[in-house]
Amino acid sequence: QKEVEQNSGPLSVPEGAIASLNCTYSDRVSQSFFWYRQYSGKSPELIMSIYSNGDKEDGRFTAQLNKASQYVSLLIRDSQPSDSATYLCAVTSGSARQLTFGSGTQLTVLP
Amino acid sequence: NAGVMQNPRHLVRRRGQEARLRCSPMKGHSHVYWYRQLPEEGLKFMVYLQKENIIDESGMPKERFSAEFPKEGPSILRIQQVVRGDSAAYFCASSQAARGTDTQYFGPGTRLTVL
Repeated sequence: QKEVEQNSGPLSVPEGAIASLNCTYSDRVSQSFFWYRQYSGKSPELIMSIYSNGDKEDGRFTAQLNKASQYVSLLIRDSQPSDSATYLCAVTSGSARQLTFGSGTQLTVLP
Repeated sequence: NAGVMQNPRHLVRRRGQEARLRCSPMKGHSHVYWYRQLPEEGLKFMVYLQKENIIDESGMPKERFSAEFPKEGPSILRIQQVVRGDSAAYFCASSQAARGTDTQYFGPGTRLTVL
């Protein structure tokens, strides 16, 4: 069974710090990786997508992918209280098109 | 900016009734996915549809649940004879194509409460 694992947290960081969110996946043929942000009571919102090994930066967000280690991470620089949310790691594998989600990491940025 | 639309946003049903959830994909998108999020749990895939076709329903319970995406109109997720365990947020997502790299955009969800 394909699994995506995340530390559930909660993870607390002070405002302005770097928040580091981690995700591992079990299916070696996983090909696409996504980070979604979900505020309480709201729907998932795409933050980043990454498809090849290495780093991908977009503003304050950096996604890192290491397929050999089956590991993907999200770094949030200069964290703001508005970043407080649950961050969901999602993966597509093989010919399947659906997203397999981790359980999410709850992030709190303290003012 | 017409994103993914879902209605109703909130739905209350008594045990044994039917629930119908509707999803209109983003303009230009022809691929629809339904996910369910149980309280305090992660998002779980239910079904993937294209117009008039169910492509993958591997995540859908075998009984009481059905989905369709007709040639005209929204995609519908139908739950017959609802039970309390069906209480959850049901999210629809759409994508432009069906490559694994295509981004899925989520609608606001329908929160189903079964009394």
